[in-house]
Amino acid sequence: AQSVTQPDIHITVSEGASLELRCNYSYGATPYLFWYVQSPGQGLQLLLKYFSGDTLVQGIKGFEAEFKRSQSSFNLRKPSVHWSDAAEYFCAGQAAGNKLTFGGGTRVLVKP
Amino acid sequence: DTGVSQDPRHKITKRGQNVTFRCDPISEHNRLYWYRQTLGQGPEFLTYFQNEAQLEKSRLLSDRFSAERPKGSFSTLEIQRTEQGDSAMYLCASSLVGGSAYNEQFFGPGTRLTVL
Repeated sequence: AQSVTQPDIHITVSEGASLELRCNYSYGATPYLFWYVQSPGQGLQLLLKYFSGDTLVQGIKGFEAEFKRSQSSFNLRKPSVHWSDAAEYFCAGQAAGNKLTFGGGTRVLVKP
Repeated sequence: DTGVSQDPRHKITKRGQNVTFRCDPISEHNRLYWYRQTLGQGPEFLTYFQNEAQLEKSRLLSDRFSAERPKGSFSTLEIQRTEQGDSAMYLCASSLVGGSAYNEQFFGPGTRLTVL
């Protein structure tokens, strides 16, 4: 069965510090992979996506993610976190252009 | 382009009542998806349409749930005889499927259902 796992439920980071959110996937073949952000009361906003090719992908708001096939991972990073990055982050996989399978999410808290 | 819209944004109902939610996708988008998100969890797929045709339904979609997209534009999700376990955020997404296998899904703000 297809699955996406986000091992960290909560992460607290100081403003200005770096951030890394983990994501592991389990699919029969490499899926398309995505990171979404959800702020309170808001819908899901796409941060970045990976299809193939360059394993380091750049997204919006200064985020990037690295695809590692050997580890079945697609971790999200940001070099310097801003208070406005406090939100919930979801990793998702998609096979053959159909439904998205989401991880359980990681809630990011930013300390001043 | 106004994005995906959902109505209502919030719904409070009593157990046993029926509720209906509406989703208006981005114009020209031929695929429409419904997801459910419970507190502290990621969204879970419920069903999707390509134009008017409902192509896949999750096992999560019990007999009390029905979704329609009668003219291939807006969609409705109805829950009959609501239960407290139906309390969740119901998210709608739309996409344009063309020659590529990839289709980016654009999400609406969701309808939050509370069943008392």
